[in-house]
Amino acid sequence: DSGVTQTPKHLITATGQRVTLRCSPRSGDLSVYWYQQSLDQGLQFLIQYYNGEERAKGNILERFSAQQFPDLHSELNLSSLELGDSALYFCASSEGRGGGYTFGSGTRLTVV
Amino acid sequence: AQSVTQLGSHVSVSEGALVLLRCNYSSSVPPYLFWYVQYPNQGLQLLLKYTSAATLVKGINGFEAEFKKSETSFHLTKPSAHMSDAAEYFCAVSGSGTNAGKSTFGDGTTLTVKP
Repeated sequence: DSGVTQTPKHLITATGQRVTLRCSPRSGDLSVYWYQQSLDQGLQFLIQYYNGEERAKGNILERFSAQQFPDLHSELNLSSLELGDSALYFCASSEGRGGGYTFGSGTRLTVV
Repeated sequence: AQSVTQLGSHVSVSEGALVLLRCNYSSSVPPYLFWYVQYPNQGLQLLLKYTSAATLVKGINGFEAEFKKSETSFHLTKPSAHMSDAAEYFCAVSGSGTNAGKSTFGDGTTLTVKP
């Protein structure tokens, strides 16, 4: 157990639907990062939150949004889902710039 | 801008042989550099990190990496491969400013260990 908890582990949904992925960071970590991993795109940075505020944005589609709550857990919302959104979505947390990331085990999203 | 390039998407070694996974980085500021390992159906796990202290960094599972500024490299090595080392390995860099804390990952190298 890495200390970063992601739910659900697997999600199968239809095109056009909306899903919410949840992440609880490791205790004490204020930063949360979301990444998408797919075979053709590799590991792509989506968004970072630090202590409730958006800190950096990457290749995140407008159909996707995220937030970090006062208890530091984070949610990634994916809407109007397309087949191409099928991927592994990872959440990671860190204590700071040089600390490296602690990853969750990911949510495997399958859009059918 | 920051980036990493992992040379070789697939590396195959025999059990007991030297493991060498190559990573070159680009960063406009002194970087923080990381190696992660990903086993099938799992998240990434931090192997080791360079944060401007010693240039030779030792990590878990017998891995180590050497930071070479003149070559902008951070190659990962292990003297003797074990079957359990078979996995995908990612090099990552993080910088400062707008990139502070945010890591950019390489495309990954899949390590196969032959008996």
